[in-house]
Amino acid sequence: GENVEQHPSTLSVQEGDSAVIKCTYSDSASNYFPWYKQELGKRPQLIIDIRSNVGEKKDQRIAVTLNKTAKHFSLHITETQPEDSAVYFCAACMDTGRRALTFGSGTRLQVQP
Amino acid sequence: ETGVTQTPRHLVMGMTNKKSLKCEQHLGHNAMYWYKQSAKKPLELMFVYSLEERVENNSVPSRFSPECPNSSHLFLHLHTLQPEDSALYLCASSQDVGEQFFGPGTRLTVL
Repeated sequence: GENVEQHPSTLSVQEGDSAVIKCTYSDSASNYFPWYKQELGKRPQLIIDIRSNVGEKKDQRIAVTLNKTAKHFSLHITETQPEDSAVYFCAACMDTGRRALTFGSGTRLQVQP
Repeated sequence: ETGVTQTPRHLVMGMTNKKSLKCEQHLGHNAMYWYKQSAKKPLELMFVYSLEERVENNSVPSRFSPECPNSSHLFLHLHTLQPEDSALYLCASSQDVGEQFFGPGTRLTVL
């Protein structure tokens, strides 16, 4: 089955700096890669996703890049703000057949004001 | 309430008790999921239901028994649990393979 590894497990940055979180996956058939943000005491929520037919996707201060050859994808947050502090999860799956997402172990991001 | 709801929000049970967790989605989705969230494994998939049929059982012990009577409701029946089963149990739904919408979770404590 799919195995997703996520690094780092914790990340502390100064407000205004950029943050990068990296994930690798094992199943070359995976073609859907979402990122979820979970604030303390709240439910996970999708912030951005990418499918394998594109290499990069941006949404304001958030971007995701995908390298299918190397089987890794990354989340980039620019101009970080204190409200970006949360746990971020990457995930991977195939968009046909098996529907289940395999999640990474999470990255706790702390943005220092 | 719209979206995905879960009841109860908190549950304390003894190891010999039988209880059930309930999840309801108001989004018209065709897939529902149970996850276990703990310090050891932040988001661990337990079960997947697609069109009311269980399509995945991720090696979950038989003391957890899911039920999906229709596309809007999902239950997790619990019996003879162990203290290590204490965790946050999250329900989610999606339309095919797309954004999963999570419920608020049930915080379970097994004494």
